[in-house]
Amino acid sequence: EAGVAQSPRYKIIEKRQSVAFWCNPISGHATLYWYQQILGQGPKLLIQFQNNGVVDDSQLPKDRFSAERLKGVDSTLKIQPAKLEDSAVYLCASRRTGFNTEAFFGQGTRLTVV
Amino acid sequence: SQQGEEDPQALSIQEGENATMNCSYKTSINNLQWYRQNSGRGLVHLILIRSNEREKHSGRLRVTLDTSKKSSSLLITASRAADTASYFCATPLYGNNRLAFGKGNQVVVIP
Repeated sequence: EAGVAQSPRYKIIEKRQSVAFWCNPISGHATLYWYQQILGQGPKLLIQFQNNGVVDDSQLPKDRFSAERLKGVDSTLKIQPAKLEDSAVYLCASRRTGFNTEAFFGQGTRLTVV
Repeated sequence: SQQGEEDPQALSIQEGENATMNCSYKTSINNLQWYRQNSGRGLVHLILIRSNEREKHSGRLRVTLDTSKKSSSLLITASRAADTASYFCATPLYGNNRLAFGKGNQVVVIP
């Protein structure tokens, strides 16, 4: 079974530029999460999709962050414009429907904003 | 928002020793999950314990859950250098399966 794919692995941009991250979840996983993980901290949930609908985006800074999941499969997360404090690892995870199921994570995208 | 809180935050042990870390949570759960993260990598699921279970084993891992105290513990027995990683507990919320993580335990196993 193929895992969660994310790209790019690394990205360096200047502040005020825009950036986009891509995630391909495990086939058949209806739930998709995007997390932001700042160095030394736990993952913070940014947005959760169930198929192509948003379930929870309460912690997404909507003035600069946006995400979509077209056709309930792949997802993109965009930041525009980026700030220095957006430097972090962005993790994508997917999960089968059901309460007692585990999440599978991609390797993450390490973003550095200079 | 619900979030696990691990304790202790950092642990340094000799290879072969046992490592124990704890996690507390705030509201009712239907399960609690533990994940491992090696430096610079994504999180890997270790074990899931349901709310009606009190103890669960997987290889050298032992997880306990005390719903009355809203706490869980993860024990790694006979630790190895490869166990050096950060360990996180996570709890999904009822209703929407929002998976919230704690701050994590940094475990260093010295060969």
